[in-house]
Amino acid sequence: SAVISQKPSRDICQRGTSLTIQCQVDSQVTMMFWYRQQPGQSLTLIATANQGSEATYESGFVIDKFPISRPNLTFSTLTVSNMSPEDSSIYLCSVIQGTTYEQYFGPGTRLTVT
Amino acid sequence: QKEVEQNSGPLSVPEGAIASLNCTYSDRVSQSFFWYRQYSGKSPELIMSIYSNGDKEDGRFTAQLNKASQYVSLLIRDSQPSDSATYLCAVRFGNEKLTFGTGTRLTIIP
Repeated sequence: SAVISQKPSRDICQRGTSLTIQCQVDSQVTMMFWYRQQPGQSLTLIATANQGSEATYESGFVIDKFPISRPNLTFSTLTVSNMSPEDSSIYLCSVIQGTTYEQYFGPGTRLTVT
Repeated sequence: QKEVEQNSGPLSVPEGAIASLNCTYSDRVSQSFFWYRQYSGKSPELIMSIYSNGDKEDGRFTAQLNKASQYVSLLIRDSQPSDSATYLCAVRFGNEKLTFGTGTRLTIIP
């Protein structure tokens, strides 16, 4: 399976600021996704990162708040903009590689907004 | 709305016994089924995938799929304390995104 890394692994940010999270995969992948997981909760899909075009956002998530880039087949960024304490969560990059549709997760970025 | 349901637990199993985790889903047009293990503070780890009816075994893990009854289960044989984690069931409905259950917290008692 692909090796997925995320930076930063954790951060503490002040409200009103923005944080960009990077996701790097060691090989080309078919699809990349961004998820959020709040404490004790299951996973919530934010968006599908599309290579070379605008991301596809799920209901409740908008591009102005969570801009996403995917310039190539191995890298994506998620920005959390104008942060509030409600954005405190773990943000996870996830990928599908090959044709089995098995989906793998990165180690996550733990974000705390004060 | 397509749904995936799991008993949230906690499920406590003695060490060495079989842990049985169950998951039901709401739509018959489902192609892919997955089990993830998530340790506290860690990201989900894919441990099993199953695509057709029947059993699939991998080491101490067996996934069972029954599409007619719309359930998928995960059996863990010879349970170890290191198996203590939250187990997430995930279903891909057609070619859509993965839909996750809320997870079952499993505790193996030494």
